Amino acid sequence: KNEVEQSPQNLTAQEGEFITINCSYSVGISALHWLQQHPGGGIVSLFMLSSGKKKHGRLIATINIQEKHSSLHITASHPRDSAVYICAVMAFGNEKLTFGTGTRLTIIP
Amino acid sequence: GAGVSQSPSNKVTEKGKDVELRCDPISGHTALYWYRQSLGQGLEFLIYFQGNSAPDKSGLPSDRFSAERTGGSVSTLTIQRTQQEDSAVYLCASSFVAGVTYEQYFGPGTRLTVT
Repeated sequence: KNEVEQSPQNLTAQEGEFITINCSYSVGISALHWLQQHPGGGIVSLFMLSSGKKKHGRLIATINIQEKHSSLHITASHPRDSAVYICAVMAFGNEKLTFGTGTRLTIIP
Repeated sequence: GAGVSQSPSNKVTEKGKDVELRCDPISGHTALYWYRQSLGQGLEFLIYFQGNSAPDKSGLPSDRFSAERTGGSVSTLTIQRTQQEDSAVYLCASSFVAGVTYEQYFGPGTRLTVT
């Protein structure tokens, strides 16, 4: 079992829909990252969080440390949101990231 | 300002040859990370450097892989006697300091193809 599990693996939605991507992990962590990777493009860090909730524009990330679970939400989704979204965790006492396998999101106009 | 840069952007090499991949981190960032993304696979950690401390090499898949960081800035990842399974995108990231509170900034990656 991977230390970091994401669901769904693939998600297709209509423009304007509310999107939720989930991440569960099995180790104690000091921080969780949400990353975005566009096709053929580099990786951009969206959020880094260790508790609670963060919001940036139409993106919201939440984390529940007790349940070892995080969600990434996109409101009013747009085709330009189409990308792979990757969850990564930094375990306690460890400076390196362990990654989920990613969620491929496609927003149809 | 300038982000993390990597070179070359693409590298095709024959099995058995050695390759060197270069990473230029953001100026002032003391932590530098190397990751690998194989086709259809997720990202995996290879090695990270923090300042002058000994690097964490725990993710290197074999002794054919090595990395160095000169002068606390530029880093080179070397793969000796390349194998087809080494084909992947190699990503470099840097952060102000290694640790919880600092975001990692990723370079565009080097796509390595071993024929």
